[in-house]
Amino acid sequence: KNEVEQSPQNLTAQEGEFITINCSYSVGISALHWLQQHPGGGIVSLFMLSSGKKKHGRLIATINIQEKHSSLHITASHPRDSAVYICAVSAGSYYGGSQGNLIFGKGTKLSVKP
Amino acid sequence: EAQVTQNPRYLITVTGKKLTVTCSQNMNHEYMSWYRQDPGLGLRQIYYSMNVEVTDKGDVPEGYKVSRKEKRNFPLILESPSPNQTSLYFCASSWYRAGADTQYFGPGTRLTVL
Repeated sequence: KNEVEQSPQNLTAQEGEFITINCSYSVGISALHWLQQHPGGGIVSLFMLSSGKKKHGRLIATINIQEKHSSLHITASHPRDSAVYICAVSAGSYYGGSQGNLIFGKGTKLSVKP
Repeated sequence: EAQVTQNPRYLITVTGKKLTVTCSQNMNHEYMSWYRQDPGLGLRQIYYSMNVEVTDKGDVPEGYKVSRKEKRNFPLILESPSPNQTSLYFCASSWYRAGADTQYFGPGTRLTVL
């Protein structure tokens, strides 16, 4: 079983729809990252969070540490949001222990149609 | 402009011909890392470096070497490339270790080994 599972694997939406991408993990973590990979291949970090909720523009990321689950929401989706969204976790303690290297999910491919 | 650069961006080579992929960052980051991305497997870490002269293996280090002689550069060396090293490679950097800090990714290097 993968340590980081994302769902769905593929998602097609109409412009303007509210989108949710889910990430579940099975290890104790110090932080969770959401990344965006554009069709051209470049990867951009969207959020890093260890508790609660963060918002940037139309993107919202939440995490529930007890349930080992995070969600990425996109409000008022737009074709330019079409990309692969990758969840990654850092296993172990924030302040010590493991080097905190990232364990990646396989990504969710989002396509937003005009 | 703060950035991570990689060269070359595309490379086609033959089995056994030594090659180096360069990575350079201009943000004075201490942590640098190499990842490979393969369809169905997602991103996997090859090597990472916590600082100058400090490197360590990631999840898939076989067939690769790295060095960190200067803070800004972290080249990836394939001494004798094989077809199973055909992949998309990303270099990334951050102030602190990957799990506890936002990662900045390079544009990627698409390598084909014939």
